[in-house]
Amino acid sequence: KNEVEQSPQNLTAQEGEFITINCSYSVGISALHWLQQHPGGGIVSLFMLSSGKKKHGRLIATINIQEKHSSLHITASHPRDSAVYICAVVDSGGGADGLTFGKGTHLIIQP
Amino acid sequence: GAGVSQSPRYKVAKRGQDVALRCDPISGHVSLFWYQQALGQGPEFLTYFQNEAQLDKSGLPSDRFFAERPEGSVSTLKIQRTQQEDSAVYLCASSLQGRLPAWTKYEQYFGPGTRLTVT
Repeated sequence: KNEVEQSPQNLTAQEGEFITINCSYSVGISALHWLQQHPGGGIVSLFMLSSGKKKHGRLIATINIQEKHSSLHITASHPRDSAVYICAVVDSGGGADGLTFGKGTHLIIQP
Repeated sequence: GAGVSQSPRYKVAKRGQDVALRCDPISGHVSLFWYQQALGQGPEFLTYFQNEAQLDKSGLPSDRFFAERPEGSVSTLKIQRTQQEDSAVYLCASSLQGRLPAWTKYEQYFGPGTRLTVT
């Protein structure tokens, strides 16, 4: 079973700051997801990637397959970015078909 | 368009009661997943359906947990004789495609979850 670690667990920053959230995993994967969860439970998929880099608006996600590491960056952060950001992976070894999740990074952006 | 819906959104059960949680996936989505999220933790995989077939139930924590998707669309997660440790948010997700490797190329769409509190 893959072990997914995220850092930091909690992050408080000022509006406008550049934010980086890190995710590392222990065994090979088919894909990695970055998810956003707001209070109340709703989860939104931000990115799904298996190599390289993806950008959507102020969000950028990168992955290094060799190092088993991914980062989520937020540029020009805004209070509405405050949420829990969760990294989740799909094992390539044919194990459980569902996602394996990290514990999440609780981000607070202060105005 | 309609997303994944779950009902009820909140459920309070007394210890020992049976509960049934419903998930309506996006129409046409082949894959359906159930996850359990304890307070302050990331979600954990419970079970997976491809159409009506339950292909993986390795994450179900005990034989008190049972899931079905008889017609390949709506799914129900049933918990018998609820215990306090069952208190969690139960998340349902669906995806367009079927089993590995195809479905990994498609996003999972999550429902809002059902918050179960067992007293």
